[in-house]
Amino acid sequence: EVQLVESGGGSVQPGGSLRLSCSASGFTFRSLAIHWVRQAPGKGLKYVSSISGDGGSTSYGDSVKGRLTISRDNSKNTVFLHMTSLRGEDTAVYYCVAMTTTTGGFENWGQGILVTVSS
Amino acid sequence: QSVLTQPPSASGTPGQRVTISCSGTSSNIGTNFVYWYHQLPGTAPKLLIFRNTQRPSGVPDRFSGSKSGTSGSLGISGLRPEDEADYYCAVWDDRMNVWVFGGGTKVTVL
Repeated sequence: EVQLVESGGGSVQPGGSLRLSCSASGFTFRSLAIHWVRQAPGKGLKYVSSISGDGGSTSYGDSVKGRLTISRDNSKNTVFLHMTSLRGEDTAVYYCVAMTTTTGGFENWGQGILVTVSS
Repeated sequence: QSVLTQPPSASGTPGQRVTISCSGTSSNIGTNFVYWYHQLPGTAPKLLIFRNTQRPSGVPDRFSGSKSGTSGSLGISGLRPEDEADYYCAVWDDRMNVWVFGGGTKVTVL
């Protein structure tokens, strides 16, 4: 069974930094792209970032480009999201998601982790 | 403002059919597959429809998807109380090179 577990969330002041981790199990980790999708309180889903299975390709949503960096350590089955210059509008639940070639969609979701940016 | 446009709400009585639309452009829905997700309060979203019309294993055939031009739609037939949830469409956008989501539709079972 595919499992994704996010950690590293919490409260941070505007301008601060945070690193989210996504630990995966139940599948061949290096074979799947991993994505981050966030949801601000009471709002809809928004794409954040993606990284390919080998880590060689990444992409970012416009609102986070230049401030967030995605990376992965395939030896530890973990994806990281390094978040810097955080703003109030980054406050959200961040979901780690695995996409399979079977569906091509966001098939397996973590439980989500809350990041709160506030002074 | 979401790239994909969905109605904010939809409703129906038990047993009725509800349809949710998702309007996009030539760079997203016009070119790529549409995906649908539903989200119960306090839980992570779940994949409902992939590649316009297909259902993952375990999703009842009461849920159906379709696509025409730059619009997609999700149909829920035989509406049940447990279908009350938020529903989102998503598609890859070739111009922005990112995944884009609709703003979400809250389905209420009256």
